[in-house]
Amino acid sequence: QSALTQPPSASGSPGQSVTISCTGTSSDVGGYNYVSWYQQHPGKAPKLMIYEVSKRPSGVPDRFSGSKSGNTASLTVSGLQAEDEADYYCSSYAGSNVFGTGTKVTVL
Amino acid sequence: QVQLVQSGAEVKKPGASVKVSCKASGYTFTSYGISWVRQAPGQGLEWMGWISAYNGNTNYAQKLQGRVTMTTDTSTSTAYMELRSLRSDDTAVYYCARGRGMAGFDPWGQGTLVTVSS
Repeated sequence: QSALTQPPSASGSPGQSVTISCTGTSSDVGGYNYVSWYQQHPGKAPKLMIYEVSKRPSGVPDRFSGSKSGNTASLTVSGLQAEDEADYYCSSYAGSNVFGTGTKVTVL
Repeated sequence: QVQLVQSGAEVKKPGASVKVSCKASGYTFTSYGISWVRQAPGQGLEWMGWISAYNGNTNYAQKLQGRVTMTTDTSTSTAYMELRSLRSDDTAVYYCARGRGMAGFDPWGQGTLVTVSS
């Protein structure tokens, strides 16, 4: 299974919004509503931010939202804050799991 | 609180095996599976496989089939991942995480660095 495709980088100023795409195929992202998103700060373990395309675990700010259209899922971070600067990975479950290539978000 | 605590860093020679442990607490161990994910230095996340803590069923990533074995010990709420015939490109931080992936992986262990070097 090939890795899902994400842009290498994204950036925005504090208070702005940034959207990260995650492109797969009809066999993974497009075929199931099992897309999740993870935030990873340097040297730390990943943290679940979104599951089942658009659901937020308790404790995750509502500034984080997810959506999906066809074979592409998206994560939007609204009202960017300095602590949002991190690497973000998408993942899709389709019997087995595949991660995205990762996106580094920079807060300018 | 739900927590996964992994064993410490390992240094292995090429061709050797490594076994990483992941001790769960704060929830009923047999109600969830455990997945293993690795991250090579400076690289992205790679899913390695999953084991059901309920019945021991496993699902391994195709590229690791034959080299990886995942097990659980329900008496101690601990999951294990053994990787054999280690190569230099197996050098990575290995993470365990609760769940099969459908509802995401949550939480994650702190990670175990495995270094393969002669």
